[in-house]
Amino acid sequence: ETGVTQTPRHLVMGMTNKKSLKCEQHLGHNAMYWYKQSAKKPLELMFVYNFKEQTENNSVPSRFSPECPNSSHLFLHLHTLQPEDSALYLCASSHLQGNEKLFFGSGTQLSVL
Amino acid sequence: LAKTTQPISMDSYEGQEVNITCSHNNIATNDYITWYQQFPSQGPRFIIQGYKTKVTNEVASLFIPADRKSSTLSLPRVSLSDTAVYYCLVGDETGTASKLTFGTGTRLQVTL
Repeated sequence: ETGVTQTPRHLVMGMTNKKSLKCEQHLGHNAMYWYKQSAKKPLELMFVYNFKEQTENNSVPSRFSPECPNSSHLFLHLHTLQPEDSALYLCASSHLQGNEKLFFGSGTQLSVL
Repeated sequence: LAKTTQPISMDSYEGQEVNITCSHNNIATNDYITWYQQFPSQGPRFIIQGYKTKVTNEVASLFIPADRKSSTLSLPRVSLSDTAVYYCLVGDETGTASKLTFGTGTRLQVTL
């Protein structure tokens, strides 16, 4: 148990669906992250939030929409996804943004049909 | 960005000591070195972090030479459950998260 909880654990959706991924951390951290990991590929940083403010967006398509209502919760809203978006989506948190220890959730395995 | 290079894969027998080396030739003065472990379908897990010389915890040891252009993660007496991908990251505490780039990592396979 890392203190970072992601739901759902698995998700199957069609290309016209709208769904949301949820992440919650119980560590009192101030920075939260979304990563994407496709099969056989390195983790790709998608978004970074620091004290609820988005500080990084690594050229992520607009069909992915993050939301950070407070320092403990992070959402990733999905709409009109493509099959190539199928991947493991990982949430992480750290005390502060930067070279801090990252604590990851178990991820959401997403399949887009 | 301080780029890192690691072997793609390594094999070991249970009970052996495993050393995984990471090269980071253009590491900056303020950069720390951090290692993570990842099992299939799970998020990476922090193992150890260091700046110079040697760091040891209950899981592993991290050896960093004086020039800091490389580092070696040492896993004592590995077991089957140590089969995982190991990542080396380099970055400083004032940098952006983008500096914390996960490469392809080293896939360690432990067998009997």
